[in-house]
Amino acid sequence: NAGVTQTPKFRILKIGQSMTLQCTQDMNHNYMYWYRQDPGMGLKLIYYSVGAGITDKGEVPNGYNVSRSTTEDFPLRLELAAPSQTSVYFCASRGGGGRPNQPQHFGDGTRLSIL
Amino acid sequence: GNSVTQMEGPVTLSEEAFLTINCTYTATGYPSLFWYVQYPGEGLQLLLKATKADDKGSNKGFEATYRKETTSFHLEKGSVQVSDSAVYFCALSDREDDKIIFGKGTRLHILP
Repeated sequence: NAGVTQTPKFRILKIGQSMTLQCTQDMNHNYMYWYRQDPGMGLKLIYYSVGAGITDKGEVPNGYNVSRSTTEDFPLRLELAAPSQTSVYFCASRGGGGRPNQPQHFGDGTRLSIL
Repeated sequence: GNSVTQMEGPVTLSEEAFLTINCTYTATGYPSLFWYVQYPGEGLQLLLKATKADDKGSNKGFEATYRKETTSFHLEKGSVQVSDSAVYFCALSDREDDKIIFGKGTRLHILP
């Protein structure tokens, strides 16, 4: 019963490097989300998707890109990593065709440090 | 637009104390309401939910009642345990938005 799987769990990058955070879900959910959580803070939405081929910006999209070529996968790409992107990144998915009573299911997060 | 406001933490209680974490919301429609819990080093987990006015969500001894008249969804537990130490997030979702709106989170410390 995998749910939402994020890889890697930890990563250290140098300033200016790029990387892709992977997220996959096995629940056939159409809706998927990427959040960042800075230490001691709440969640900030980076990007989200309501289905394959459709993505939209959240409140903090700058410095990130996403794609959604399949229902299962929603990778988040960091181009030109900056220290301000040091954070914990969470992927989430949601089913039910967007009905409001459906909760989100979260992965365990990727802890990213930019040095 | 929609918003969620929850009490700021940290909240520190002794074991077996009564817990209340306040949450109020603003929404144009009839939202569904959620409480999520985040244990140290983990992602968020759904704790309970309520989808219409006067519904009571409950799980693991926690309860919250959807109060439309006061636009509130306060989280309560009669006797907390050390293992309840975590961050708690109130959230809402409605038909007008593809996103779930989260509060800023309340950190709870339970002392033995």
